[in-house]
Amino acid sequence: AQSVTQPDIHITVSEGASLELRCNYSYGATPYLFWYVQSPGQGLQLLLKYFSGDTLVQGIKGFEAEFKRSQSSFNLRKPSVHWSDAAEYFCAVGERGGADGLTFGKGTHLIIQP
Amino acid sequence: KAGVTQTPRYLIKTRGQQVTLSCSPISGHRSVSWYQQTPGQGLQFLFEYFSETQRNKGNFPGRFSGRQFSNSRSEMNVSTLELGDSALYLCASSFSGEETQYFGPGTRLLVL
Repeated sequence: AQSVTQPDIHITVSEGASLELRCNYSYGATPYLFWYVQSPGQGLQLLLKYFSGDTLVQGIKGFEAEFKRSQSSFNLRKPSVHWSDAAEYFCAVGERGGADGLTFGKGTHLIIQP
Repeated sequence: KAGVTQTPRYLIKTRGQQVTLSCSPISGHRSVSWYQQTPGQGLQFLFEYFSETQRNKGNFPGRFSGRQFSNSRSEMNVSTLELGDSALYLCASSFSGEETQYFGPGTRLLVL
């Protein structure tokens, strides 16, 4: 069965500093990988996705992520965070066919210090 | 293009009642998935519908059911509500289920 691990429950970063959120997945085949962001009381907004090809993917709001098959990782990065980036971030894995739905990590709560 | 819409946004029910939640996918999307989000269990897959057929279901009791209409709109129903059903219920749509899923704002259900 597929699984996703986000080892950091909370991360605190100063505004303007760089950010890296970790995501490790367990999946037999080549996965589809996603990062979503959720603000309080809101639904999930897609930040970026990896299906195939270039392992460094660019997303919205200045985020990027790198797929590393050897490490089963898909870490999210941003060179300089803004106060508006404070939110909950979810990594998810899906499979070709998609009928089994996405499997999500538990999320990482990002706190931005002024 | 309008996003995924869910109604109602908030609901308060009492134990034993039943509830129906509605989801309208992005125009042209034929796949609708439902997820339950709770602080303890996180985001969990409920079921997925494509062309009015349920293709898969997550590990939830039979009290949770759904359907999809010919216009791809979907409803989910929870019967005999329990306190533990209090959650944010999220609907997501995609063109065929294989691509990116786009989420709605969710329906927050409180069971008293």
